[in-house]
Amino acid sequence: ETGVTQSPTHLIKTRGQQVTLRCSSQSGHNTVSWYQQALGQGPQFIFQYYREEENGRGNFPPRFSGLQFPNYSSELNVNALELDDSALYLCASSLGLAGETQYFGPGTRLLVL
Amino acid sequence: QKEVEQNSGPLSVPEGAIASLNCTYSDRGSQSFFWYRQYSGKSPELIMFIYSNGDKEDGRFTAQLNKASQYVSLLIRDSQPSDSATYLCAAHLNFGNEKLTFGTGTRLTIIP
Repeated sequence: ETGVTQSPTHLIKTRGQQVTLRCSSQSGHNTVSWYQQALGQGPQFIFQYYREEENGRGNFPPRFSGLQFPNYSSELNVNALELDDSALYLCASSLGLAGETQYFGPGTRLLVL
Repeated sequence: QKEVEQNSGPLSVPEGAIASLNCTYSDRGSQSFFWYRQYSGKSPELIMFIYSNGDKEDGRFTAQLNKASQYVSLLIRDSQPSDSATYLCAAHLNFGNEKLTFGTGTRLTIIP
């Protein structure tokens, strides 16, 4: 167990809807990164938050947005869901920015119909 | 060219043998490298990280890094059926851009 938690574990939405995924980082960690993992692929970086500020973003459209709270927990919001958004969404926490090891939560599996 | 490449497998290894997993990366500025294991339907769990040239051992696992050849490998000695999983290689491409860049993973099956 990494101490990183995510909710919900599974979610089914329809195209065009909006979704919010949540992540609580490991105790003492101040950095949260979000990844999308499609079936049969490696995780793809969405964005990272460090001390409540976005610190880097991958090749995802603006309808993917996020927040980090003062307790370092985080949210990932996706608007106008598309079928291709169906994936496992992973949150990883780490301490600082100097290439530190990232520990993954259990993930949220999103299905868009 | 993909930034991090792995042979997708599947790779089948007899129980008790050595499993060898390979990974290459394109960015010479890459600083550190990680191996994660992912069981079907689960999230990635860290096995090892390495950032210096050479070998790093942890129990049955040995990570090897050759920066000149831009090559990272993971050896699993005395393979067990519980080692059957997908192994993901990831790289921190450079400091200041803190994302992990993953390969597509290698599916490993240990045959009893």
